Amino acid sequence: GQQVMQIPQYQHVQEGEDFTTYCNSSTTLSNIQWYKQRPGGHPVFLIQLVKSGEVKKQKRLTFQFGEAKKNSSLHITATQTTDVGTYFCAGLDNFNKFYFGSGTKLNVKP
Amino acid sequence: DVKVTQSSRYLVKRTGEKVFLECVQDMDHENMFWYRQDPGLGLRLIYFSYDVKMKEKGDIPEGYSVSREKKERFSLILESASTNQTSMYLCASSRPGTVMNTEAFFGQGTRLTVV
Repeated sequence: GQQVMQIPQYQHVQEGEDFTTYCNSSTTLSNIQWYKQRPGGHPVFLIQLVKSGEVKKQKRLTFQFGEAKKNSSLHITATQTTDVGTYFCAGLDNFNKFYFGSGTKLNVKP
Repeated sequence: DVKVTQSSRYLVKRTGEKVFLECVQDMDHENMFWYRQDPGLGLRLIYFSYDVKMKEKGDIPEGYSVSREKKERFSLILESASTNQTSMYLCASSRPGTVMNTEAFFGQGTRLTVV
């Protein structure tokens, strides 16, 4: 099946520091989505990127989709303790299947 | 609000038992999915269904089967549970399409322990 790789696996930051997670696909994606899973919770949809080179912002979160539609990143500016959780990217293929990355677990020290 | 409901939050079963995990969604979504989540491995797709009675294997279908007799219900079956199937199981649903309104809505998860 399709491979979606995500790095890093873990990231520990001090509150106020920035954080970035990267996602790479082995094939071109129809779109890329990002999800957040709080500890003990289930993944919750954050955003979807569709166009090549697209950049979207949600407050302190910036999402990018690569020009070749094979990679994406999520950047959080000035992390807060509420940002703690695991962030997943998910690529959607042309057959409507979601392929999730392995996730980046973010820990924020107050 | 979309609701995806999994029948159990926690389940303990014995090796060799046949196990049924049920998932129901209330948004008339065509697509339904079963994933398992293990530390460091992310969400791995077990099976996918895009319509009633239709199913496709995901990346790790071995040891599992599924049933979709009604649009709102997608069941995951462990034919003969083994200890390596101890995991968190997540059900999800979505609308079809690749551009608009295709986000996946997840259930709360079932933590299955096979002893």
